[in-house]
Amino acid sequence: DAGVIQSPRHEVTEMGQEVTLRCKPISGHNSLFWYRQTMMRGLELLIYFNNNVPIDDSGMPEDRFSAKMPNASFSTLKIQPSEPRDSAVYFCASSLLAGNEQYFGPGTRLTVT
Amino acid sequence: AQTVTQSQPEMSVQEAETVTLSCTYDTSESNYYLFWYKQPPSRQMILVIRQEAYKQQNATENRFSVNFQKAAKSFSLKISDSQLGDTAMYFCAFMYNNNDMRFGAGTRLTVKP
Repeated sequence: DAGVIQSPRHEVTEMGQEVTLRCKPISGHNSLFWYRQTMMRGLELLIYFNNNVPIDDSGMPEDRFSAKMPNASFSTLKIQPSEPRDSAVYFCASSLLAGNEQYFGPGTRLTVT
Repeated sequence: AQTVTQSQPEMSVQEAETVTLSCTYDTSESNYYLFWYKQPPSRQMILVIRQEAYKQQNATENRFSVNFQKAAKSFSLKISDSQLGDTAMYFCAFMYNNNDMRFGAGTRLTVKP
C-alpha cells in the first residue's frame, strides 16, 4: 500500500495568494483528517470527514480555510487568502474505522511570505 | 476539555539502554484510546503503539511497551534496547468520540552512541 499521499510536499507562496493542499487517503479507509503542526501550537486537528462527509470543522481557524472531500480517494484543504501566520506543516491522515489508529501522510510544509 | 500533558520536553538515553517517556491526560470519558506516535527528522508521523482504555493489559510492540494506569490517567512509553533510529519526537495522543484526537506537546528523544 502506498500510504497516505499528500501534495505538494513543499509550498512557498506570497501573502494573499490562494493555496490548495491535496490528500489521497489509504484505499478503503473511510475517515480522513487534516492537521496543522506549528512550534507554538503543536499538532491541531482542523477538520475530519467520515465517508466523505465533514463531521467536525471546529478546528478550522478562520473562514479563509475550507476543506472538501468530493470522493473517497481525494480531499483538499484550501486557504484563501493566505497569510504569513498560516505557515506550518499540514498533515493529512486516514483511518479504517472510527476509533482506529490514524495513518499520516508525509505532510506539506507551507511557507507564506 | 480533554488535555494531554507530556512533562519532559527533552530526554536522552545511551544506545542499548532503556528509557521511559511520561504522559498524563485529563478526561471524564470512560471509553477512549491512547497512542504513541514517533516523528523522526523526516517529519513523518509513525504510529508506535496503541492502547484501548477498556483493556487492562498493557500493550507491547517489540521493544516498545506502555504502562497504562487508568485511575491515575497515566500512559508512559518504555523503549528497551534503545537504537540510534529511535531518535525522534514522541507524541502521546488521546482519542475519544471515536475520532477526536488530541496530542501532547511532544518529547524530543536523543539516543546517544
